Amino acid sequence: EIVLTQSPGTLSLSPGERATLSCRASQSVSSSSLAWYQQKPGQAPRVLIYGASSRATGIPDRFSGSGSGTDFTLTISRLEPEDFAVYYCQQYGTSPWTFGQGTKVEIK
Amino acid sequence: QVQLQESGPGLVKPSETLSLTCSVSGYSISSGYYWGWIRQPPGKGLEWIGNIFHSGSTYYNPSLKSRVSISVDTSKNQFSLRLSSVTAADTAVYYCARGVVFWGQGTLVTVSS
Repeated sequence: EIVLTQSPGTLSLSPGERATLSCRASQSVSSSSLAWYQQKPGQAPRVLIYGASSRATGIPDRFSGSGSGTDFTLTISRLEPEDFAVYYCQQYGTSPWTFGQGTKVEIK
Repeated sequence: QVQLQESGPGLVKPSETLSLTCSVSGYSISSGYYWGWIRQPPGKGLEWIGNIFHSGSTYYNPSLKSRVSISVDTSKNQFSLRLSSVTAADTAVYYCARGVVFWGQGTLVTVSS
């Protein structure tokens, strides 16, 4: 199975700052089948990015995804107060589909 | 707009079988896509349980494969999860999803006597 390792575990930033989240795969992710989710307490995960770089419907353009192969990045260009949450990556190109362990973006 | 809604018992006894149903609206299951289940133990990360393709092909997490079954009822536009021989470690919020984009709101299942 493909193991996804997210870093850092926690990111402490201020509103307005840029956030860079990493997701590294133990083997190449097929067809860039990599998604990023945001999850807030008590809520279901919400997809932000799929196909490594395609923004889901309704997602602000401050969120962007990049990468291929084994290294992927989610960038939030300028953090808004509502962006402080936990972020997960997921690969869905090879069964079993797998998730990273999450990165918490907290207010500094 | 595609919508998914989980339903089923919120409390299951140890050693029994957990059964959940996902009702889909806004899209016909038989038209395509993978339909799957994901779970999240309290305070922990996400775990993929498995998928079923509209054709009926199934794919399961190897760690759960011996206990899990996913099926589709196209007449009701629903798909279901069965997880047998549950223990407290199976306590989690269970989500159903279409592919990676559309998710249900989740339902908490507690395993306890």
